[in-house]
Amino acid sequence: GEEVAQTPKHLVRGEGQKAKLYCAPIKGHSYVFWYQQVLKNEFKFLISFQNENVFDETGMPKERFSAKCLPNSPCSLEIQATKLEDSAVYFCASSQSAAYSTDTQYFGPGTRLTVL
Amino acid sequence: DAKTTQPPSMDCAEGRAANLPCNHSTISGNEYVYWYRQIHSQGPQYIIHGLKNNETNEMASLIITEDRKSSTLILPHATLRDTAVYYCIVSKTSYDKVIFGPGTSLSVIP
Repeated sequence: GEEVAQTPKHLVRGEGQKAKLYCAPIKGHSYVFWYQQVLKNEFKFLISFQNENVFDETGMPKERFSAKCLPNSPCSLEIQATKLEDSAVYFCASSQSAAYSTDTQYFGPGTRLTVL
Repeated sequence: DAKTTQPPSMDCAEGRAANLPCNHSTISGNEYVYWYRQIHSQGPQYIIHGLKNNETNEMASLIITEDRKSSTLILPHATLRDTAVYYCIVSKTSYDKVIFGPGTSLSVIP
């Protein structure tokens, strides 16, 4: 597709429950990124993939967070045992291969996670 | 930390040009200047980017100073739909993580 798709739009979980978010990058894009926006305007980079391989995981919390990008499947971000502080909007972005390195990242509409 | 600084907020009258400044005094020679905007809580939307030459597209113009230490995003005829938070980013490639600062909250006033 021509847009980054994210599902679900909204997700509500009780504290301690698992949350799983999905991202379908633009067809043909090689890189996928996950960002967390906790407060208005404050973005935090979590992790990126080059195809199915982790490219940069410097922002990924060591505990409870995991992510995958498997062939022929949407990428996923999973939070085990959610905490109140995980409440945020999670954005996925994708970009083309390194041959198009001066292009841009394209962002999805986000998934709003609310932990009660 | 973000490598750019922007004013936290600006107002612009509808129909007038909106000029949004950005300082990036530590930019390196191979880093591009990118601009995105976020309308309400939607995903960030790409606007424009450039290396050292001024750029123009259907949305905006980007003016980069000769020393590349600052730039200005120009929305030539602002409309109410341009009300958003505008982010100025520096990045070497499209596959580097984007480090967002707080951005500039632009309010277009009727």
